[in-house]
Amino acid sequence: QVQLVESGGGVVQPGRSLRLSCTASGFAFSSYGMHWVRQAPGKGLEWVATISYDGTKQYYAASVEGRLTISRDNSKKILFLDLSSLRAEDTALYYCGKDGLQYSGTYTDYWGQGTLVSVSS
Amino acid sequence: EIVMTQSPATLSVSPGETATLSCRASLSASSNLAWYQQKPGQAPRLLIFAASTRATGIPARFSGSGSGTEFTLTISSLQSEDFAVYYCQQYNNWPITFGQGTRLEIK
Repeated sequence: QVQLVESGGGVVQPGRSLRLSCTASGFAFSSYGMHWVRQAPGKGLEWVATISYDGTKQYYAASVEGRLTISRDNSKKILFLDLSSLRAEDTALYYCGKDGLQYSGTYTDYWGQGTLVSVSS
Repeated sequence: EIVMTQSPATLSVSPGETATLSCRASLSASSNLAWYQQKPGQAPRLLIFAASTRATGIPARFSGSGSGTEFTLTISSLQSEDFAVYYCQQYNNWPITFGQGTRLEIK
């Protein structure tokens, strides 16, 4: 079965950096686009970034572009999100998700349980 | 950017009844619309994609309809486990955008 396990979250000071990871199993990782979606405490879902199945295309929300970088290692079945110049408003639970269609960037059919990033001095 | 607006923000319905949730797009999303359910402390779960196609394992009491700018999620014969927050999401254009959510609560 599809499993997505995020890691790398924690408490970090404003302006610092963090790398999140999402380890995938149970599907052909290299055939699917992958997403990061975040949820601030008590708030709704916010799409953050998507990467194509082969890593050649990345898409970002305007609120994070230039500060967050999505990447993947298909040989190890790991998705990454590098967060830099972190701000208080980046505090959220970060979910990774598998795209629902092969070779596409669409909806998310499987979600991890999330990793919490807290930006605080 | 396509702005997704869900209504109502909170919906109170009795078990066994039908809930109708709405989602409006500021520009056409064609049929590239998904619905998710989220319960407290859990990750979202995909219910519907392509506006009206149920995801694997989703009961038939969940149905989606609409296209363009107006979409509806209908949940019939509400069960206790259906009370949750529901989000719509368009994936027709970048950036992908979510609605703000509708909280479905027990009346």
